[in-house]
Amino acid sequence: DVQMTQSPSSVSATVGDRVTITCRASQGIGSWLAWYQQKAGKAPKLLIYAASNLQSGVPSRFSGSGSGTDFTLTISSLQPEDFATYYCQQANSFPPTFGQGTRLEIK
Amino acid sequence: QVTLKESGPVLVKPTETLTLTCTVSGFSLNNTRMGVSWIRQPPGKALEWVAHIFSNDEKSYSTSLKSRLTISKDTSKSQVVLTMTNMDPVDTATYYCAREYSRSRYDYWGQGTLVTVSS
Repeated sequence: DVQMTQSPSSVSATVGDRVTITCRASQGIGSWLAWYQQKAGKAPKLLIYAASNLQSGVPSRFSGSGSGTDFTLTISSLQPEDFATYYCQQANSFPPTFGQGTRLEIK
Repeated sequence: QVTLKESGPVLVKPTETLTLTCTVSGFSLNNTRMGVSWIRQPPGKALEWVAHIFSNDEKSYSTSLKSRLTISKDTSKSQVVLTMTNMDPVDTATYYCAREYSRSRYDYWGQGTLVTVSS
């Protein structure tokens, strides 16, 4: 299975900050990467697909980049509703696998 | 509008079989670009893909769970059913069904159903 490793595991930030979360694949996955946001007690929500494509309805402060093994999710200016856990997921190799999550907390 | 909703027992005993149903609306299970996946999340832990099924009835299962799983669909009822045999306390998790779009991403999710395995 392709292992997805996110860093950091948790990060504290303030409203208005720029935050970057990294996801590394154990082998090359092209651009077959998606990012999800999950709030406590809720289902995950798709933010980014194909590494850099913004899902419809997702604010433009979210962006994704990368290819191969290294990917990033960037939130350009944190809003109060962005405090949540974020997961990356690869779809290049079977089975699909998720990262362990990055918890974004209020500083 | 696309919706998915999971249903099934909230509590099962060890060694019992779990049956979960995902009822979908707003898209057809015959759509060749879409499938339905089951994904689970133990309390406080990460997401784990479990199984999926596509319009052509292609099915795939988690390698570690494969021997215990069966996924099927009833297109006329817009339902996808997952059965997991020989349940164990480590299978305690919130089970989500999600629409899988173009075999690359999960763009719509159900609310999830917490299944607890305990005697």
